[in-house]
Amino acid sequence: DTGVSQNPRHKITKRGQNVTFRCDPISEHNRLYWYRQTLGQGPEFLTYFQNEAQLEKSRLLSDRFSAERPKGSFSTLEIQRTEQGDSAMYLCASSRTPGLESSYEQYFGPGTRLTVT
Amino acid sequence: DAKTTQPTSMDCAEGRAANLPCNHSTISGNEYVYWYRQIHSQGPQYIIHGLKNNETNEMASLIITEDRKSSTLILPHATLRDTAVYYCIVSDWMDSNYQLIWGAGTKLIIKP
Repeated sequence: DTGVSQNPRHKITKRGQNVTFRCDPISEHNRLYWYRQTLGQGPEFLTYFQNEAQLEKSRLLSDRFSAERPKGSFSTLEIQRTEQGDSAMYLCASSRTPGLESSYEQYFGPGTRLTVT
Repeated sequence: DAKTTQPTSMDCAEGRAANLPCNHSTISGNEYVYWYRQIHSQGPQYIIHGLKNNETNEMASLIITEDRKSSTLILPHATLRDTAVYYCIVSDWMDSNYQLIWGAGTKLIIKP
């Protein structure tokens, strides 16, 4: 399967614990995005990478959240000191770099569902 | 905030064409119209996008009005597997961040 993969698919953790999610993008895609989605809402942008560089972070991404893409391939999203409000689906997407008067669609992984108890 | 307005929900009979409207009255000249869908408990799936001209692919057709203030996604022969939430998004190709800002979408239910 050459699509975007995410692990784990489900994570249940207790409040205050740290969690880490992994995303493996489509291999030739140099852009990687993280989104968060709560029930009944569309995905909300968190951050994105161009190769290994993290180019933007949403104000939704508090200091407890950190993302890395060390070699420009897979990415990790870590949440420290989890809170119940962090419970959501965390989605990863990848794309080629949009160019002049062209655009490239984002391909999404299946998501990691986080439940904080 | 999302720059699009979509109906909250729609029904369509299996085998008929499903026509999903989207209003984007403040769209700028650099912004593409994208459609994605999300089947329950799965990640969003890209369907189609366009800038000015109508577009068609193996999944759907996208009709964009001449003034670009609205568009319609057409699923020509809807099946039960097309039941999903459909998102219409506008995104600026000149924005280096190329963010997709999502609304709540339209929940499309295909009925047998």
